[in-house]
Amino acid sequence: GAGVSQSPRYKVTKRGQDVTLRCDPISSHATLYWYQQALGQGPEFLTYFNYEAQPDKSGLPSDRFSAERPEGSISTLTIQRTEQRDSAMYRCASSPTGGETQYFGPGTRLLVL
Amino acid sequence: DQQVKQNSPSLSVQEGRISILNCDYTNSMFDYFLWYKKYPAEGPTFLISISSIKDKNEDGRFTVFLNKSAKHLSLHIVPSQPGDSAVYFCAAYGQGTYKYIFGTGTRLKVLA
Repeated sequence: GAGVSQSPRYKVTKRGQDVTLRCDPISSHATLYWYQQALGQGPEFLTYFNYEAQPDKSGLPSDRFSAERPEGSISTLTIQRTEQRDSAMYRCASSPTGGETQYFGPGTRLLVL
Repeated sequence: DQQVKQNSPSLSVQEGRISILNCDYTNSMFDYFLWYKKYPAEGPTFLISISSIKDKNEDGRFTVFLNKSAKHLSLHIVPSQPGDSAVYFCAAYGQGTYKYIFGTGTRLKVLA
């Protein structure tokens, strides 16, 4: 595609529900990153993929968070049993390979009530 | 532990003058540094980067300086234009991982 897309753009959910966020990277890009961004803060690394491999998931805050990229293209980030503190902007980015310029998507704003 | 710090949350500069945005880091294993610009309701966009083997990189009106001994980098915008008004993030990562660490951002306002 022309750029990185994310869906949904906004998600409101009740505490305890599971949510799944989707990222569609630029089609030729091998590397995909997930970030969490709180209001007034910079993006905070969650995990990244190199094709379908997930070399680093050290930024995932708890085992309620998981990410997949089964075919090396589209990725999903799932948050189980959401908590109010999970409310944030979730950003996805992709790059041709690791260490090259990242292209960010517009983000998914998650609100947990 | 904030490994990348941007201590100035905001900066105002007159159009045509120089804007200097600062960033400090604590992790000596970082070897690549980047600046991103972010407009409201958009994702960050890449601006300029520098490898730790260099101390300066220039691209048009934008220059990044790296002082490894001080663990400090800065972004200079000359001359500043109203369209430069945005939030600027510095980021860094170390060799062998693509775990980018971002600062908290500096909001630049260029006054016409």
